[in-house]
Amino acid sequence: SQKIEQNSEALNIQEGKTATLTCNYTNYSPAYLQWYRQDPGRGPVFLLLIRENEKEKRKERLKVTFDTTLKQSLFHITASQPADSATYLCALEMDSNYQLIWGAGTKLIIKP
Amino acid sequence: NAGVTQTPKFQVLKTGQSMTLQCAQDMNHNSMYWYRQDPGMGLRLIYYSASEGTTDKGEVPNGYNVSRLNKREFSLRLESAAPSQTSVYFCATRERDTDTQYFGPGTRLTVL
Repeated sequence: SQKIEQNSEALNIQEGKTATLTCNYTNYSPAYLQWYRQDPGRGPVFLLLIRENEKEKRKERLKVTFDTTLKQSLFHITASQPADSATYLCALEMDSNYQLIWGAGTKLIIKP
Repeated sequence: NAGVTQTPKFQVLKTGQSMTLQCAQDMNHNSMYWYRQDPGMGLRLIYYSASEGTTDKGEVPNGYNVSRLNKREFSLRLESAAPSQTSVYFCATRERDTDTQYFGPGTRLTVL
């Protein structure tokens, strides 16, 4: 079955540095992969989508890469700020019914 | 625009009780989803509805039923609640053109 792995340990980063989060998957070739942000007590909020034929996508301080050979996506936040502290979820498209399968998320803590 | 709304925000049930979680959207999206989120696990799909009048099982449908009342509303019913259904439940919609999912604020359910 499809499996998505995100680092379960919290990632502590100094303010101003680049934070890099990893999403690995197995047993499938998704058409696209998405990243969401989730704050405590709230629903996930969409950040970026990258398709299988795209290597990299950027949005302001955010950058996502997608390596279909390694079956891995990297999510980067440059010039990180304490307000970027949250849990970040990756999700990949499971089938043509537009269902997503989700990672458990990585908690990011940006220290001032 | 309210986006995706869910009621109630919190609920405590006793084993065997029933309840319905309500979800409504004003985004005019065809697809709607119900997920549950448990600690250390990714979001898991319970049921989804690709359009008004259709519903399909997701990964973890046992113990739940759904109704797609109209384009705006998608409800989730627990007929006989069990402690294993203690979780946070999220409703989401999907924007067709971008494949982005939009989430409600969630319902925190505790079954004693």
